[in-house]
Amino acid sequence: QLQLQESGPGLVKPSETLSLTCTVSGGSISSSSYYWGWIRQPPGKGLEWIGNIYYSGTTYYNPSLKSRVTISVDTSKNQFSLKLSSVTAADTAVYYCAILGGNEGVSYMDVWGKGTTVTVSS
Amino acid sequence: EIVMTQSPATLSVSPGERATLSCRASQSVTSNLAWYQQKPGQAPRLLIYGASTRATGLPARFSGSGSGTEFTLTISSLQSEDFAVYYCQQYNYWPTFGGGTKVEIK
Repeated sequence: QLQLQESGPGLVKPSETLSLTCTVSGGSISSSSYYWGWIRQPPGKGLEWIGNIYYSGTTYYNPSLKSRVTISVDTSKNQFSLKLSSVTAADTAVYYCAILGGNEGVSYMDVWGKGTTVTVSS
Repeated sequence: EIVMTQSPATLSVSPGERATLSCRASQSVTSNLAWYQQKPGQAPRLLIYGASTRATGLPARFSGSGSGTEFTLTISSLQSEDFAVYYCQQYNYWPTFGGGTKVEIK
């Protein structure tokens, strides 16, 4: 069964770049059956989709974040990554990675990682 | 952006009772609608996709219905483990989530 684990710094300074990695276990990220995604949740608030990626590198981004987001995949490490540039306190959130269902680039989130908390503060 | 509106914000229900949660889209999302459950300190868990298809292993007391702009999640007989926050999400266009409904013990 596929499992996901987020990792990365828990504290990022304002104006810097947030970098997170999601490690996939129990299967190959290169499987043609799956798309992979990032979602975030500010403290006490709802969920916001950040973007998705296919193992080939095809990406889909939230238009409101697109200018600051890069999602990439490293098939040799069975990982995919998120970079969010020019962060502010508004980017403080729990960041989740997920496996998408339905074999579509934009879809529902079938399996979620446990999440990692990122705080933006000087 | 498709705006998803959930109601009510909080639903107080006694164990064993029926809970009905609503989700409305600002424009049609056909049947591209999912429901998630989130408990404190945990990641969301997929319950329903395609508006009415239960995720693997989900108890039959959970059911989803609707299409277009109006959707409903029904929990037929609330168990103690069902008290949580529920989110709807559309994926007909770039994904957006509703603000959530908290189901609390009455």
